[in-house]
Amino acid sequence: EAQVTQNPRYLITVTGKKLTVTCSQNMNHEYMSWYRQDPGLGLRQIYYSMNVEVTDKGDVPEGYKVSRKEKRNFPLILESPSPNQTSLYFCASSLYPPFSSGANVLTFGAGSRLTVL
Amino acid sequence: ELKVEQNPLFLSMQEGKNYTIYCNYSTTSDRLYWYRQDPGKSLESLFVLLSNGAVKQEGRLMASLDTKARLSTLHITAAVHDLSATYFCAVDADKLIFGTGTRLQVFP
Repeated sequence: EAQVTQNPRYLITVTGKKLTVTCSQNMNHEYMSWYRQDPGLGLRQIYYSMNVEVTDKGDVPEGYKVSRKEKRNFPLILESPSPNQTSLYFCASSLYPPFSSGANVLTFGAGSRLTVL
Repeated sequence: ELKVEQNPLFLSMQEGKNYTIYCNYSTTSDRLYWYRQDPGKSLESLFVLLSNGAVKQEGRLMASLDTKARLSTLHITAAVHDLSATYFCAVDADKLIFGTGTRLQVFP
């Protein structure tokens, strides 16, 4: 089944304890992206990757890191989490970036709900 | 800066009624996506609109795009409870920007 898999789905952690949210897709997609969803703010992009070893900042990158060493994986790293990073996180992928020609529909993971105390 | 506004933010409607969700955006774009999110779930693609005047329909939902007015609409016909969800538009203009979402509740 074609899908984007995120882990963990739920996580409660404490301020300053490094954590990684993994994201893997099995569709050979070039483009991958991380979003956070907060009430009243919709989805905001954290980082995105056009291809292996190519990543760039989205709208809210502060406090996050990413890497794209393999095409299928795009982990989100919180080096020193803070309470304002409590949110619902989504990883998404598409064959090509949304802003390239044609219809590039994003496939979303199930989401990871993170609470930072 | 590209801004995407959805109206209303919350919609409570009776089964069988019709209503429209509006998505306004602030810059030139001829590509727009609609996604649906069920409570506690992920987002799923509903419609892709790729040109001015594009209209797509699926069941009781119909989406349209007017690039000159910078407006997309999602029309609900004869609402049923299964349509209860949050609906997001996303505008593609060099970057993809999501609206804040419209939470739809359909009651008997």
